[in-house]
Amino acid sequence: DVKVTQSSRYLVKRTGEKVFLECVQDMDHENMFWYRQDPGLGLRLIYFSYDVKMKEKGDIPEGYSVSREKKERFSLILESASTNQTSMYLCASRRGGGVYEQYFGPGTRLTVT
Amino acid sequence: KQEVTQIPAALSVPEGENLVLNCSFTDSAIYNLQWFRQDPGKGLTSLLLIQSSQREQTSGRLNASLDKSSGRSTLYIAASQPGDSATYLCAVSPRSTGNQFYFGTGTSLTVIP
Repeated sequence: DVKVTQSSRYLVKRTGEKVFLECVQDMDHENMFWYRQDPGLGLRLIYFSYDVKMKEKGDIPEGYSVSREKKERFSLILESASTNQTSMYLCASRRGGGVYEQYFGPGTRLTVT
Repeated sequence: KQEVTQIPAALSVPEGENLVLNCSFTDSAIYNLQWFRQDPGKGLTSLLLIQSSQREQTSGRLNASLDKSSGRSTLYIAASQPGDSATYLCAVSPRSTGNQFYFGTGTSLTVIP
């Protein structure tokens, strides 16, 4: 079974702090994704990566950056957290090169005060 | 940009009833469509993936159909159980964006014992 893990289930940070969310997958997947989920807006793609050190912006990249130094790990960075970044953050991975399922982690509920 | 709509937003049914959840999308040029289940406060669990060349997929009591020409997919749940209570989301991967998935806002299902 594919396993996608996220570093924290719940996180509380203060405005202006730098925040790191980490995601690890154990199935050698090429593609990894970061989404945020908000009520009424659904899941929106922040960034995705199709290979080590490769990244592409999704629909809402502003205020975020990402890092993928190893194939199994994809980090989301909030350079200076703001209250409007309070959300559920979901990481996903998928095998590349064809039509394959996405697999999600358990999510991180981030609150910025 | 691909728009994905799920109607109704919420649905309550008595245990044992068969039910259909709907998903519609605006751009019929897709690679695949995936149905997920999400329990409160948790990540997404993949249920079924339908490739663009397929008309349906089945897993146990679940059957998903795809009609690309009309931009619609349905998820059929047979003999519903209280454990089926969750939010069901569909996601579409358009050919124009490759790896990117677009999500609907989901249908919240409650199965009443």
